[in-house]
This record gives sequence, structure tokens and C-alpha cells, in this order.
Amino acid sequence: DTEVTQTPKHLVMGMTNKKSLKCEQHMGHRAMYWYKQKAKKPPELMFVYSYEKLSINESVPSRFSPECPNSSLLNLHLHALQPEDSALYLCASSSGISSSYEQYFGPGTRLTVT
Amino acid sequence: GDSVTQMEGPVTLSEEAFLTINCTYTATGYPSLFWYVQYPGEGLQLLLKATKADDKGSNKGFEATYRKETTSFHLEKGSVQVSDSAVYFCALSEGGTGFQKLVFGTGTRLLVSP
Repeated sequence: DTEVTQTPKHLVMGMTNKKSLKCEQHMGHRAMYWYKQKAKKPPELMFVYSYEKLSINESVPSRFSPECPNSSLLNLHLHALQPEDSALYLCASSSGISSSYEQYFGPGTRLTVT
Repeated sequence: GDSVTQMEGPVTLSEEAFLTINCTYTATGYPSLFWYVQYPGEGLQLLLKATKADDKGSNKGFEATYRKETTSFHLEKGSVQVSDSAVYFCALSEGGTGFQKLVFGTGTRLLVSP
């Protein structure tokens, strides 16, 4: 099973709301990733977790707060977002952290900030 | 830094036509190379990969060969179907201590008509 699941599928939130995105994989992968994808653009890396520790933060604003409670679960906590943060948020995982390992992507959460 | 360049789209073909989507890369080391496909409203799916020079990745009739001398990884398919209509992303993988990072091209939209 090469499935990464993400919830919710769609989310609409106001600029003062707090919400969370959830990502789960049961493939035993030890690296997990958050990407942001705007329309007609490639995904942009936000965060990388390796063995449940934050390895990369691509200078993401603090209104995005990642959390990796265990090796199967990855959350993205959202607070005080701006309309320009509206995008498709993709989670991915890989079995290893060397460059030869492919990443498996979830279906994404489409976020709209009003 | 490392980068990936893809041909501009959209690429418009009739069913059963031959497909080529060009991809070239710039990298300081020896990256792994990937093609991902994204269908409307979905996440990315791994299509194929190659991890070293002269490797050929193949899947579902698609092929790409890792050419170190021309720094290319062109995607080909002998006979496209309407169901192949999607956005195709070429990517390279950089590895470092404790992390792996995908660098994507801009994506090429393929439209196949009956």
C-alpha cells in the first residue's frame, strides 16, 4: 500500500481562525514533507521531517506551524493566514532520506482563506 | 543551486500520437531524476525514476533515460491516450545530511484529443 491520506479535502477559513491539516501514512516511511502548490505552478517545499525531527524549514512564515507527533502522522497548524496563503497543500513521504528515494504524495487539502 | 527546465506547454496531441516532453537539469552532484504526473484536482503520482546515468525508467508505456552527457531526462510515450491528459513534472532529488529535497520543473500540460 503506497497511500498517503490527507484531511480535510477542502478547507475554508477566515484570517482570524486556527485550523489544522492532517497527513497520515502507514508505509513505515521515516521522512515526511509539506508542500504548497499554487495554481499552474509546481509544488514548493515548506518543511521536511526526518525521523520525526524537523530537518528543513524553507523560511516559511510562523503562521504555519508543523508538528510530527509520531512516525505516521504529520500535522500543519494554521493561524492568522492571509488570502495569498490560499493554495493546495500537499503532504508526501519517503522511505529514506537519500536522494534515490521517491516521494509519495497525498491528494492534498485545498485551502481557501477569506 | 540545482534546477530543472521543462518545455513550455500546453502540448496538444491526437490520440495514438507520439509524445516527447523535454527536461534538462543543472546539478552539482549526481541527482536522482523523476517524472511525476498530476491529474486535475489530485496530488502528484510518481510516474518513473532513474537514479544513475544511463538508467531507463519506465511505467505504463512511458519511458525516460538519464543522460548525463546532455543533462537530460526526456519523457516519451509511443501512443498517447485521452486518459494521459494531465500535468507532467520533471524533478531532481538533492540529498544532504538528514534530508532529501525535490526540485521541480515548471510542469508541462498535456492535452490529448480523441
